[in-house]
Amino acid sequence: AQSVTQLDSQVPVFEEAPVELRCNYSSSVSVYLFWYVQYPNQGLQLLLKYLSGSTLVKGINGFEAEFNKSQTSFHLRKPSVHISDTAEYFCAVSDKAAGNKLTFGGGTRVLVKP
Amino acid sequence: GAVVSQHPSRVICKSGTSVKIECRSLDFQATTMFWYRQFPKQSLMLMATSNEGSKATYEQGVEKDKFLINHASLTLSTLTVTSAHPEDSSFYICSASRTSGGRFYEQYFGPGTRLTVT
Repeated sequence: AQSVTQLDSQVPVFEEAPVELRCNYSSSVSVYLFWYVQYPNQGLQLLLKYLSGSTLVKGINGFEAEFNKSQTSFHLRKPSVHISDTAEYFCAVSDKAAGNKLTFGGGTRVLVKP
Repeated sequence: GAVVSQHPSRVICKSGTSVKIECRSLDFQATTMFWYRQFPKQSLMLMATSNEGSKATYEQGVEKDKFLINHASLTLSTLTVTSAHPEDSSFYICSASRTSGGRFYEQYFGPGTRLTVT
């Protein structure tokens, strides 16, 4: 069985400061990893994904994440946040053994302060 | 491309009634659709997986007689909450992918449906 842990439930950050959201997963097989963003009362928007290849993945809106197999982590980073980045962020894992089903972490609420 | 819509976006119903939520893939054929439920300030929990033309596979603890899922075509899946009660109030999100198993295809998410049962 796979599981995802997002270590921070809430991250306050000042505008133009960097932010890192931590995500660790457990799985017995090779995985695909995702980060999604959710704005209030909306569905999920894909920020980036790791399927294979380079461990540094660049996504939309200036976000990037690094896959670290030895540490089973997939932390999300942005060097300079904007007020509009205030949202809920979800890390998710999928593996072939689970029929491509996604397992989500508990979410991290990012609050960008002016 | 890969747009998924849900209808309605919001619905209020009385306790004991049934409500149907539609999930459509607008520009691709979705062999597999997933239904999630999200409580306030919580993560998404997978309720069931449906493959076109076959019965849905429900996750443990999800009542299949209460949450009826139909995936009759490659572009439409419906979730019917039968005999709804206030505890069924939640945000329901669907996603769609081109296939399940074998080659990987990512899931594309709908905008969600807010169900309130009074």
